[in-house]
Amino acid sequence: SQTIHQWPATLVQPVGSPLSLECTVEGTSNPNLYWYRQAAGRGLQLLFYSVGIGQISSEVPQNLSASRPQDRQFILSSKKLLLSDSGFYLCAWRDPGGRNSPLHFGNGTRLTVT
Amino acid sequence: KQEVTQIPAALSVPEGENLVLNCSFTDSAIYNLQWFRQDPGKGLTSLLLIQSSQREQTSGRLNASLDKSSGRSTLYIAASQPGDSATYLCAVPRNSGNTPLVFGKGTRLSVIA
Repeated sequence: SQTIHQWPATLVQPVGSPLSLECTVEGTSNPNLYWYRQAAGRGLQLLFYSVGIGQISSEVPQNLSASRPQDRQFILSSKKLLLSDSGFYLCAWRDPGGRNSPLHFGNGTRLTVT
Repeated sequence: KQEVTQIPAALSVPEGENLVLNCSFTDSAIYNLQWFRQDPGKGLTSLLLIQSSQREQTSGRLNASLDKSSGRSTLYIAASQPGDSATYLCAVPRNSGNTPLVFGKGTRLSVIA
């Protein structure tokens, strides 16, 4: 069966520090991968998605970036964090085969920028 | 641009009551709609995916319906229990094909024992 791992679960970082959040999926090949951010009262915001290794689509122009160095690995990064980067970051995957594949989420990372 | 709205934002019901959560979307050209549950501080758990060719999908005490033409979906929860307390979100692809999902802001459900 497929599983998704996301870490760390919680992170407190000072303003201006770098960020690296990692997500891996097991039990599937060539998944579509997604990074969402959930801020209080604002719902889920799509940040990046990837349909293959090295293929990244960016949804919001900000100081975050994403990379997919391996088929089932998706990394969210920042060189210098801002206070506004605080939030709950969720990684998700979906089977690329077919239009009706459900989306599955990891347990999320709670990021607090101080 | 696809937009998803969920009303009400919060709902409190006594244990045992049947309830309906509502979801509406602006672009009816969707292939499917997915309902999720989110417990506090946790990720989203997929509950049901209802395809555009279907009108209903059931899982245990949950029943989701879809009316594409009116841009509406409902999630019916029968005989609610305190363990059903969570935030329920609906989502649809933002356009045709296997595209990213657009989410509503969710309905926060509290079931009181």
